[in-house]
Amino acid sequence: GQNIDQPTEMTATEGAIVQINCTYQTSGFNGLFWYQQHAGEAPTFLSYNVLDGLEEKGRFSSFLSRSKGYSYLLLKELQMKDSASYLCAVHGGATNKLIFGTGTLLAVQP
Amino acid sequence: GAVVSQHPSWVICKSGTSVKIECRSLDFQATTMFWYRQFPKQSLMLMATSNEGSKATYEQGVEKDKFLINHASLTLSTLTVTSAHPEDSSFYICSASPGSFLQQYFGPGTRLTVT
Repeated sequence: GQNIDQPTEMTATEGAIVQINCTYQTSGFNGLFWYQQHAGEAPTFLSYNVLDGLEEKGRFSSFLSRSKGYSYLLLKELQMKDSASYLCAVHGGATNKLIFGTGTLLAVQP
Repeated sequence: GAVVSQHPSWVICKSGTSVKIECRSLDFQATTMFWYRQFPKQSLMLMATSNEGSKATYEQGVEKDKFLINHASLTLSTLTVTSAHPEDSSFYICSASPGSFLQQYFGPGTRLTVT
């Protein structure tokens, strides 16, 4: 079956670093996406990994290990506006659809 | 670039009526569009995948006669919730893909409340 797991909630302090983990078991794999979603809004694209390793984009970085079925999103220099849900999604290959994880609600505190 | 719009952004309807939600790709042609539903504090659940000019493919457990999807052009897909019930109240989000590229571009979502 298809399964994507993330922690439900996390709390971090402004200015700190936080790592949000995602593990997946899917029948196909064409890449892993991370999205940010503020309450009541649509998801916005953060990153895409298809090869193993770390992709860095400003304050956000994303890591992928295909052999372990594991990814993480790293947020540095946290700001209050980073408080949001972070969704891990796997592109399932031939089906051409995204399978979303449960999402991680991050609360950034002063 | 890659802007997707949805209309309406929110709608309130009475139980038993039907509601149509539009999804448009404004600056690209979307060969595939996806419809998701999201309940409070939950993740996105894919309802159906639609390709221009063909019938939509529905996910298991989604009633195709209740959620009618039409993808009549490369820039427009519509979702009609027929005979709406309070349990259909949710946040409906569409996304559009320009074809071979794996990226999906999400619309701003439509908040449906059925009273």
